[in-house]
Amino acid sequence: QVQLQESGPGLVKPSETLSLTCTVSDDSISRGWWWSWVRQPPGKGLEWIGEIHHSGTTSYNPSLKSRVTISVDTSKNQFSLTLNSVTAADTALYFCARNGDYSQDSWGQGTLIAVSP
Amino acid sequence: EVVLTQSPGTLSLSPGERATLSCRASQGLANSYLAWYQQKPGQAPRLLIYDTLRRATGIPDRFSGSGSGTDFTLTISRLEPEDFAVYYCQRYDTPAMYTFGQGTKVEIK
Repeated sequence: QVQLQESGPGLVKPSETLSLTCTVSDDSISRGWWWSWVRQPPGKGLEWIGEIHHSGTTSYNPSLKSRVTISVDTSKNQFSLTLNSVTAADTALYFCARNGDYSQDSWGQGTLIAVSP
Repeated sequence: EVVLTQSPGTLSLSPGERATLSCRASQGLANSYLAWYQQKPGQAPRLLIYDTLRRATGIPDRFSGSGSGTDFTLTISRLEPEDFAVYYCQRYDTPAMYTFGQGTKVEIK
């Protein structure tokens, strides 16, 4: 069964760049799946950020598109999220996930990112 | 922008009862790509239903999905203690975009 694990800094200052990595185990990123990032502000609902294919093709949520980049490193079986110019509104639990049939069928446990001076 | 509205916001029921959760889309789905997730406190979401009515691997048959167009339903036939959680619907649109509803909390009455 696929395992996903997010890693990141925990705390980011306003206006700076957030960078997260998702390491995939027991599956290969290159098998053809798409891979997503989803976030959840404290006490609130889920928001899809974007997705990537092992070929490097991406799709982003239009509401975040100007600030987001998702990349993939097939040699490390990882994919990454970069979010620029963060504000307090970007404070959230960030999940990485594997896309199944037009849904996310496997999820990491999430990593909490706080944006604060 | 597509909006998914889930109702009710909170559903108070007892174990053994039937739960019916609604998800209404502001625009009709041209496809059947509607999914449902369960999330418990401190955990990641868990996929229950995809493609409107297909159960994900390992999901008990007390969970069922139905609907089309703008109106979709998740039904839990008999609530077990472990089913009390928050449930989210999600749709997929082309070009690639996933949208979540705001969630329905199923709590113990």
